Amino acid sequence: DAGVIQSPRHEVTEMGQEVTLRCKPISGHDYLFWYRQTMMRGLELLIYFNNNVPIDDSGMPEDRFSAKMPNASFSTLKIQPSEPRDSAVYFCASYGQGTGNTIYFGEGSWLTVV
Amino acid sequence: AQSVTQLDSHVSVSEGTPVLLRCNYSSSYSPSLFWYVQHPNKGLQLLLKYTSAATLVKGINGFEAEFKKSETSFHLTKPSAHMSDAAEYFCVVSDQNTGRRALTFGSGTRLQVQP
Repeated sequence: DAGVIQSPRHEVTEMGQEVTLRCKPISGHDYLFWYRQTMMRGLELLIYFNNNVPIDDSGMPEDRFSAKMPNASFSTLKIQPSEPRDSAVYFCASYGQGTGNTIYFGEGSWLTVV
Repeated sequence: AQSVTQLDSHVSVSEGTPVLLRCNYSSSYSPSLFWYVQHPNKGLQLLLKYTSAATLVKGINGFEAEFKKSETSFHLTKPSAHMSDAAEYFCVVSDQNTGRRALTFGSGTRLQVQP
């Protein structure tokens, strides 16, 4: 399996611009997670989905952030408008029955907002 | 609520000497516990996991961890450090009985390996 695939790997954007991060989970996994990693706050759960339905979005920082999962093989995390404090690494991860409680992570999207 | 505390933010060892990275957890239910490793500018890789089977868990690259319920600890060890072990290590907890599948991460321990 190709693992969890994220794009873009790196993005530099100007403040105020819209940013869209994409994720393809491992085929057959029914849970998908978005995490954010910063030096100050470490790894934080933003939102997670089960069978394409958002289950817990309490970690989404504010209304500028939104996440969707239109189907089992694709999810997006959107920031509009972006701000410099959104600069971070955003990880997507997935989990499914039979993985022994293991969540698999993508390589991350490195976002810099200038 | 579940949480993990990694007792050291930085650990430095010499190549060939033992590694000990400490982790204490707090969980209302029977937890699943994990150690993940992150090399510079890379994603997160699972090292090992405990899910209520054997209390001594062996992982990849010679790492192992022991679940001690009485001490609420899940320390990571390796008998002999290699230069390639230099990375950030995260202790992670998941409350498998709550149905909430998300992981709670510790703050991380940066391991330095000196030649």
